[in-house]
Amino acid sequence: SQTIHQWPATLVQPVGSPLSLECTVEGTSNPNLYWYRQAAGRGLQLLFYSVGIGQISSEVPQNLSASRPQDRQFILSSKKLLLSDSGFYLCAWAPDRGYYEQYFGPGTRLTVT
Amino acid sequence: AQSVTQLDSQVPVFEEAPVELRCNYSSSVSVYLFWYVQYPNQGLQLLLKYLSGSTLVKGINGFEAEFNKSQTSFHLRKPSVHISDTAEYFCAVRTLSTDKLIFGTGTRLQVFP
Repeated sequence: SQTIHQWPATLVQPVGSPLSLECTVEGTSNPNLYWYRQAAGRGLQLLFYSVGIGQISSEVPQNLSASRPQDRQFILSSKKLLLSDSGFYLCAWAPDRGYYEQYFGPGTRLTVT
Repeated sequence: AQSVTQLDSQVPVFEEAPVELRCNYSSSVSVYLFWYVQYPNQGLQLLLKYLSGSTLVKGINGFEAEFNKSQTSFHLRKPSVHISDTAEYFCAVRTLSTDKLIFGTGTRLQVFP
């Protein structure tokens, strides 16, 4: 069966510091991968998605970036965090074809101080 | 473009009472519809999905939803809720031509003893 991992689970970072969040999927190959942000009291905002290694689509302009160095690895990064980057970050995956829903990881709670 | 509206941000209900969480969508093409549940500080879990066929869809944990094309709605129902159903519920939509889900802003279901 497939599983999705995210780490770290929680993170407290000062303004201006760098960020790296990691997401990995097991038990499947060539998945579509997604990064979402969930701010307090708000819905899910799609940040990036990827259909293959090195293929990244950005949905919202911001100081975040994403990379996919391996087939089942998806990384969310920032060079300098802003207070507004605080939130709950969720990674999701879906099979590359014949699928309908997405499957979510456990999330990373980021607090920028 | 597609959009999803969850009309109620919060729904309080007593244990063993019935509940309905409302979801309306907007789309000029056929859609697939989903309900996800999110427990505190966790990722999203798929409750149920409508792809085609019968408009009444049954999911996990005793939930069901009915697709109404004329009213562009996909309301979630449960005949008798439990304390453990306290969570955030998200409605989502996608079309065949996109790999992305569009989420509503969520409804917080609070079940009281």
